[in-house]
Amino acid sequence: DVKVTQSSRYLVKRTGEKVFLECVQDMDHENMFWYRQDPGLGLRLIYFSYDVKMKEKGDIPEGYSVSREKKERFSLILESASTNQTSMYLCASRTWTAGNTIYFGEGSWLTVV
Amino acid sequence: GNSVTQMEGPVTLSEEAFLTINCTYTATGYPSLFWYVQYPGEGLQLLLKATKADDKGSNKGFEATYRKETTSFHLEKGSVQVSDSAVYFCALSDGGGSEKLVFGKGTKLTVNP
Repeated sequence: DVKVTQSSRYLVKRTGEKVFLECVQDMDHENMFWYRQDPGLGLRLIYFSYDVKMKEKGDIPEGYSVSREKKERFSLILESASTNQTSMYLCASRTWTAGNTIYFGEGSWLTVV
Repeated sequence: GNSVTQMEGPVTLSEEAFLTINCTYTATGYPSLFWYVQYPGEGLQLLLKATKADDKGSNKGFEATYRKETTSFHLEKGSVQVSDSAVYFCALSDGGGSEKLVFGKGTKLTVNP
């Protein structure tokens, strides 16, 4: 089975802190994604990566950056956390084939106080 | 741009009732269509998918048919169980190795005993 592992399930951070959310997948997938999920808004794409060291902005990249130094790991960085970034963050991965299934991690609940 | 519209929730049913969750899409080309399910406190899991017109995806008693003429991919189950209580997301990917997955806003289903 494909496994996408997010390092932290629950985090509480202070406004202005730098926050790292880590995601690791074990299936040698080329594509990786970061989404945030908010009530009434569904899932919104923050950033995605086609392959190692490649990244593209999604629909809501402001306030976030990403890093993909190794194929299995995709990190989401909040440079200076703000309260409006309190959310559920979901990492996902997929092989480089059209129509292939995206596999999700269990999510990271981030609260910024 | 591509978009997915699914029926607003929440939906509350009694056990053994028939379920339909409507999903329509707007896309250029020939997208693949997906239903994902999110159980409380968890990430998203693929429920079923269809990659071309008239395909029927099915899993765990759920099914959905890719209707190109009506641009729809409605989710159905003949007899729901309490364990089906979850949030259901319709999604599409528009083809090509770099395509993004576009999600609907989700429909929360509660099944009462």
